[in-house]
Amino acid sequence: DVQLVESGGGLVQPGGSRKLSCAASGFTFSSFGMHWVRQAPEKGLEWVAYISSGSSTIYYADTVKGRFTISRDNPKNTLFLQMTSLRSEDTAMYYCAREDYSYYFDYWGQGTTLTVSS
Amino acid sequence: QIVLTQSPAIMSASLGERVTMTCTASSSVSSSYLHWYQQKPGSSPKLWIYSTSNLASGVPARFSGSGSGTSYSLTISSMEAEDAATYYCHQYHRSPFTFGSGTKLEIK
Repeated sequence: DVQLVESGGGLVQPGGSRKLSCAASGFTFSSFGMHWVRQAPEKGLEWVAYISSGSSTIYYADTVKGRFTISRDNPKNTLFLQMTSLRSEDTAMYYCAREDYSYYFDYWGQGTTLTVSS
Repeated sequence: QIVLTQSPAIMSASLGERVTMTCTASSSVSSSYLHWYQQKPGSSPKLWIYSTSNLASGVPARFSGSGSGTSYSLTISSMEAEDAATYYCHQYHRSPFTFGSGTKLEIK
């Protein structure tokens, strides 16, 4: 079965940094593009970043461009999101999601919660 | 960026009632790249309808999707209790790959 397990969330001070991880299993990780999507408390879904299967193509939402870096380690079946210069508005549940070959998100992790607060 | 506007933001329906919610894009989106997700409180989103009208695995046949260009909709032919959830439309036509703000469907 496909599994995506996020980790690395927690409490961070404004201006701080954090690195999220997403451990993938049950499929050939190196064959699929991956995304990060976040959801602020009681708010809707916000797409954050995308990385292609071989890391050659990367996109970011304008709200995180220049502060967040998406990366992946295919041999270790792991997706990352390095976050710097964190702001209170980055407080959210962060989900990783697999992109199907037809450009939709067919599997999602359970999410990891990031709180940015002093 | 392509803005997706969902309406209504909140709606309630009686069991057995027909339900329709809409998603309007600020510019044209290929129907292949317009998708819907269902999310219930405390749970991750689930793929519900992909490429406008294709039901994801396990989605009941009372659900359907339609649309083209800038106007899309999700319809439930007969509301059931388990359908209470928030539904988000999503476009993969162009980065940034935006979501709508969601339609929260409640039971009347």
